[in-house]
Amino acid sequence: GNSVTQMEGPVTLSEEAFLTINCTYTATGYPSLFWYVQYPGEGLQLLLKATKADDKGSNKGFEATYRKETTSFHLEKGSVQVSDSAVYFCALLYSSASKIIFGSGTRLSIRP
Amino acid sequence: DGGITQSPKYLFRKEGQNVTLSCEQNLNHDAMYWYRQDPGQGLRLIYYSQIVNDFQKGDIAEGYSVSREKKESFPLTVTSAQKNPTAFYLCASSMDSPNYGYTFGSGTRLTVV
Repeated sequence: GNSVTQMEGPVTLSEEAFLTINCTYTATGYPSLFWYVQYPGEGLQLLLKATKADDKGSNKGFEATYRKETTSFHLEKGSVQVSDSAVYFCALLYSSASKIIFGSGTRLSIRP
Repeated sequence: DGGITQSPKYLFRKEGQNVTLSCEQNLNHDAMYWYRQDPGQGLRLIYYSQIVNDFQKGDIAEGYSVSREKKESFPLTVTSAQKNPTAFYLCASSMDSPNYGYTFGSGTRLTVV
């Protein structure tokens, strides 16, 4: 079936470190892929998305590239800040579906 | 500003009581969704609706009920049949096709006392 697998957390980094959060998917057809971010006590916010192979989504210094050959959509940021501490969810929408499938989330903590 | 509003932010319920969580959107979105999130866990889909007066069960619908009488509103009732209702509940909406992603509300934290 269709699913999303992301790296387990928590991930703890120092400020200005390089971030990678891995995400791989299983889906039929050509899904759209998303990264959402959830700050403590809040709902999820769309961070970035990509709708076809080789697309790169980017926002607020975060990037992710849709890699069909490796079925991956890894989230990266070159220099993280304390304010990036949150839970990050990878998600997919497969062709003709009516709802998005979410990964289990990765908690990120950034030390000053 | 357009958005999606959940109320209340915090809700306490005695065991055996039904409680209704409100979700309203002014984005003119066709589809609406309810998710449950437990501490340290991902999101689990309870119910969703793609059009007024129609809705479908998600993965964990037992003990919950919904209605969609208006496009803007999708209230969730947590019934006494839900064995472990303490959780964070998130409402979301999207256009007819969710290809542009969901817009989420800020959530309601329900605690059974």
